[in-house]
Amino acid sequence: QQPVQSPQAVILREGEDAVINCSSSKALYSVHWYRQKHGEAPVFLMILLKGGEQKGHDKISASFNEKKQQSSLYLTASQLSYSGTYFCGTEGFMGGKLIFGQGTELSVKP
Amino acid sequence: EAQVTQNPRYLITVTGKKLTVTCSQNMNHEYMSWYRQDPGLGLRQIYYSMNVEVTDKGDVPEGYKVSRKEKRNFPLILESPSPNQTSLYFCASRLQGAGNQPQHFGDGTRLSIL
Repeated sequence: QQPVQSPQAVILREGEDAVINCSSSKALYSVHWYRQKHGEAPVFLMILLKGGEQKGHDKISASFNEKKQQSSLYLTASQLSYSGTYFCGTEGFMGGKLIFGQGTELSVKP
Repeated sequence: EAQVTQNPRYLITVTGKKLTVTCSQNMNHEYMSWYRQDPGLGLRQIYYSMNVEVTDKGDVPEGYKVSRKEKRNFPLILESPSPNQTSLYFCASRLQGAGNQPQHFGDGTRLSIL
C-alpha cells in the first residue's frame, strides 16, 4: 500500500523552512527519502530505521515515529538547490518491496 | 565510477513489438529493482531481485518479465507492449535486500508505445 505524502506541493522563498510528511498504514522497518530534479534520477537523502530515530544531512533532517508509522522530512533555511520532488519510500520487515509515495514538489524561489 | 546503466535511454515503438530494456550495475550489488514513474503516481515497483535467480513481483508486474541470470544484469522485458506501458522506467540497485541500504538509480528509460 502506497504511503501518503503531504503536502503535494509547496512553494518557498530562500531561507524559509518546510516540512514534508509521509504516512503509512503498515508496520514499517524503514523509511527512505529521495529527491528528484526534473528529468533526472532520484537521489538518496537518508534512511530511517524503526526505533524512532532522527537523522540529519546538512540542513535537511528527518524523523521516524514508528508508533504512528509516520516520517517527516525537515528542510531548514532552504536554498534554491533544494527545489525538486521529494519521495518517501517505505519498507516492511520482509524486505525487498520499497514502496514510494506520490511525491511532494518543492519549489524554492529567490 | 560506480553506476547503474540503463539502455536505451529513449525508445519509441509500436504495440506488440517485443522489447528489452537492459540494466547493469558495477557495484557488486545483490539487490536490483525496476520502477515505472507516471505523473501524479510516484515511483511504482514492477519487479525486484534479492539475488541471482531470485525475482519477485512488485506492485505493478502485469505485462512485464524480468530475469536475473548474472549478478550485474537485470533486464526488463515487455513481450507485447501496449500504450498503457508508455512511461519513464528506472532501474535501481543496492548492496543487499535488507531495507537499511540506500538505492542507486539509473538515469531512466523513456518508453513511448504507439
